[in-house]
Amino acid sequence: QKEVEQDPGPLSVPEGAIVSLNCTYSNSAFQYFMWYRQYSRKGPELLMYTYSSGNKEDGRFTAQVDKSSKYISLFIRDSQPSDSATYLCAMKGTSYGKLTFGQGTILTVHP
Amino acid sequence: EPEVTQTPSHQVTQMGQEVILRCVPISNHLYFYWYRQILGQKVEFLVSFYNNEISEKSEIFDDQFSVERPDGSNFTLKIRSTKLEDSAMYFCASSPGTSGGGLETQYFGPGTRLLVL
Repeated sequence: QKEVEQDPGPLSVPEGAIVSLNCTYSNSAFQYFMWYRQYSRKGPELLMYTYSSGNKEDGRFTAQVDKSSKYISLFIRDSQPSDSATYLCAMKGTSYGKLTFGQGTILTVHP
Repeated sequence: EPEVTQTPSHQVTQMGQEVILRCVPISNHLYFYWYRQILGQKVEFLVSFYNNEISEKSEIFDDQFSVERPDGSNFTLKIRSTKLEDSAMYFCASSPGTSGGGLETQYFGPGTRLLVL
């Protein structure tokens, strides 16, 4: 079983839609959960960061972590064409430990 | 806003040649990382570096790889004898030295695209 699994998509939605992106993981030692956005041939850009379980909201973005189910989600409300990118989930077990990434989900928001 | 920078943006080399990839982490950050992403694949951890020594490395990071912080601002990844399978995007990342409030997060540079022929 892969440590982190993420549906690679691609996912295509109309502008204004609510987008749901998800990852599952197998390593119960993971404590820190992140979502990064990556535009084509660029570096990952940090979007959301959550420690342990719970929800976190930042503008149009909401991150959820359910450690009991080993499942994390990112919701994007009122999606915009500028949200079109690859979204990577990443997680780690210790504060400064290595990040383990999902495959990335390719999202296209069309006008 | 401070950011991680990397040079060169692109590098083409012949198999067996040595390459050095350079990174300037965010000022005052204390933890440094190298990751790579082979085209179409996941971002993979290579090595982490703290207090002038390697703190963790992956099985990918074998004897042909080395890292160095030569002058207090640069952080380099050296590949001694490149192989075709080293062709990838290499990302440098850095993280502050303070725990809590999300300060453990890693900030990535734009990457160096390495092509080994």
